[in-house]
Amino acid sequence: NAGVTQTPKFQVLKTGQSMTLQCAQDMNHEYMSWYRQDPGMGLRLIHYSVGAGITDQGEVPNGYNVSRSTTEDFPLRLLSAAPSQTSVYFCATGVGGGETQYFGPGTRLLVL
Amino acid sequence: RKEVEQDPGPFNVPEGATVAFNCTYSNSASQSFFWYRQDCRKEPKLLMSVYSSGNEDGRFTAQLNRASQYISLLIRDSKLSDSATYLCVVTSEGGGADGLTFGKGTHLIIQP
Repeated sequence: NAGVTQTPKFQVLKTGQSMTLQCAQDMNHEYMSWYRQDPGMGLRLIHYSVGAGITDQGEVPNGYNVSRSTTEDFPLRLLSAAPSQTSVYFCATGVGGGETQYFGPGTRLLVL
Repeated sequence: RKEVEQDPGPFNVPEGATVAFNCTYSNSASQSFFWYRQDCRKEPKLLMSVYSSGNEDGRFTAQLNRASQYISLLIRDSKLSDSATYLCVVTSEGGGADGLTFGKGTHLIIQP
């Protein structure tokens, strides 16, 4: 039982490159979300999903896409990386959005 | 925009002391409240939920004051291992379907 896993742990991108951050959970949770954490800003919601096939935007969705084809996976795509997207990205899952959220270990992204 | 405000600290506290910190939230319709703990370069983890009647878990006590819109966390007999950042977390009036709102965290350092 791995809980919530994220890959990669670290990534360096050049401006304009695209990439996908992976998030997988084996907790059978319907709710999944992506946050970014920046110094002095706290965690901010990027996108979330209340179940397979359903996604919605959070507070800071610009520059990111998501899809939810299965209950287990919720990848986050950066379409054209910008230095402003340098951050630590956390995936989280829960029975529902208002319930305890379980976070993955995070992906540290540096965009040059 | 929904806000959760916390004193960033750091709070430097000797081992064995009692420490308390508060957070205030702006959305009077918020339904659920939590304290999460985040260690350096790690993911946030649930410390405890905060109920209207208050709740206690060992050395930790959480209180909610809906009238004044603040949440408190009290740590008794502090241990070196309590050193961490404590995140105040609030859900929306929709029950959290649109994600959690995080405070920026209070940094606690327990000194031997």
